[in-house]
Amino acid sequence: DQQVKQNSPSLSVQEGRISILNCDYTNSMFDYFLWYKKYPAEGPTFLISISSIKDKNEDGRFTVFLNKSAKHLSLHIVPSQPGDSAVYFCAASASGATNKLIFGTGTLLAVQP
Amino acid sequence: NAGVMQNPRHLVRRRGQEARLRCSPMKGHSHVYWYRQLPEEGLKFMVYLQKENIIDESGMPKERFSAEFPKEGPSILRIQQVVRGDSAAYFCASPRGGRGMQETQYFGPGTRLLVL
Repeated sequence: DQQVKQNSPSLSVQEGRISILNCDYTNSMFDYFLWYKKYPAEGPTFLISISSIKDKNEDGRFTVFLNKSAKHLSLHIVPSQPGDSAVYFCAASASGATNKLIFGTGTLLAVQP
Repeated sequence: NAGVMQNPRHLVRRRGQEARLRCSPMKGHSHVYWYRQLPEEGLKFMVYLQKENIIDESGMPKERFSAEFPKEGPSILRIQQVVRGDSAAYFCASPRGGRGMQETQYFGPGTRLLVL
């Protein structure tokens, strides 16, 4: 049962344009959502998060949008840079005793110069 | 990765041997999560520990896998009698935030286990 889904395995965008990465979830108990960036042979690096009490959070070039009714979140990167090329994972957790993260399968972003 | 350390970075074992993976969380932190990433998949939760206690091991395989976080020293993920299907990247994460509250987890660089 895949509770967090990233339906696009890959995405290619031109440098300077907007990258939009999407994520859907099924568990209505999730109340905290995170995006991680991962390079090959490295650990995931935290990018940005959003609580379920918000619908938008912005940090520099990165903005995360949350649509609770649709159980959908997206990560916008503007402007995209070649160094953004990596695998992006969305993750979700439900507040409680463990806060374990449930990850999507990732989207490989390629930013073309 | 915010001071989360893992070693070794790469580990090669033959089938039937034991693998020991170590994780030191951020300084002063006493909780760790372990995740496994199989090839072409996302990360999957394995176990959550605090010093001397296992809080949640719902993601651990029932056999051959164990984890501990002693009072002194790093957290250890142990895999006994490894099989080829254990080949994966194993990551630990250290949370920042209070227990029971929303918290961000910061990951170590991972240990890549290859079983021959």
